[in-house]
Amino acid sequence: EDQVTQSPEALRLQEGESSSLNCSYTVSGLRGLFWYRQDPGKGPEFLFTLYSAGEEKEKERLKATLTKKESFLHITAPKPEDSATYLCAVQARNAGGTSYGKLTFGQGTILTVHP
Amino acid sequence: DARVTQTPRHKVTEMGQEVTMRCQPILGHNTVFWYRQTMMQGLELLAYFRNRAPLDDSGMPKDRFSAEMPDATLATLKIQPSEPRDSAVYFCASGLVEWVQGQGDYGYTFGSGTRLTVV
Repeated sequence: EDQVTQSPEALRLQEGESSSLNCSYTVSGLRGLFWYRQDPGKGPEFLFTLYSAGEEKEKERLKATLTKKESFLHITAPKPEDSATYLCAVQARNAGGTSYGKLTFGQGTILTVHP
Repeated sequence: DARVTQTPRHKVTEMGQEVTMRCQPILGHNTVFWYRQTMMQGLELLAYFRNRAPLDDSGMPKDRFSAEMPDATLATLKIQPSEPRDSAVYFCASGLVEWVQGQGDYGYTFGSGTRLTVV
């Protein structure tokens, strides 16, 4: 069974204080690892998909990296508007090498950035 | 921007009543998911469809939940009878899943959810 564990559960930062969120996973063949952002009262918003170990993607102050066991979401010089819950999800590769597409999510990290 | 539309946004109902939630996926997307989110369990997959055909509904309590896609523009999730433990936020998501290895499978787009309260 696919499993995703995110840490820490909650993170409080001062504006400008860089940090990282962790996503550890076990999956029977990784097809893709997804990062989402969720604001209160809204649905998850897609950020990145990573497909292979060593891959990195960036978007504004966010950078996602991937190894064979975990992914990190690095936040550089965060601002209060970066406050949200960040969700990690994995998509497994099926026996044929393709994917049925379903995502298994972690519990999320609640990020609060104080001005 | 294209969006996934869910109705209603909020629903309060009494235990035992039937609840129907609707989702309009993004035009052209071939995969539709239903997820449920609670504080305790996080996001749980209930069911999903590919080209309107059900692929997996093992996450749903079969005796009370049902999911259908009567056409490409509408997905429904029905609970009958509803119970207080069904109180949660239900999300629909859609995406375009490509079968070419190493390509496609872009991020799925989620709707704003239906917040269900069963009293």
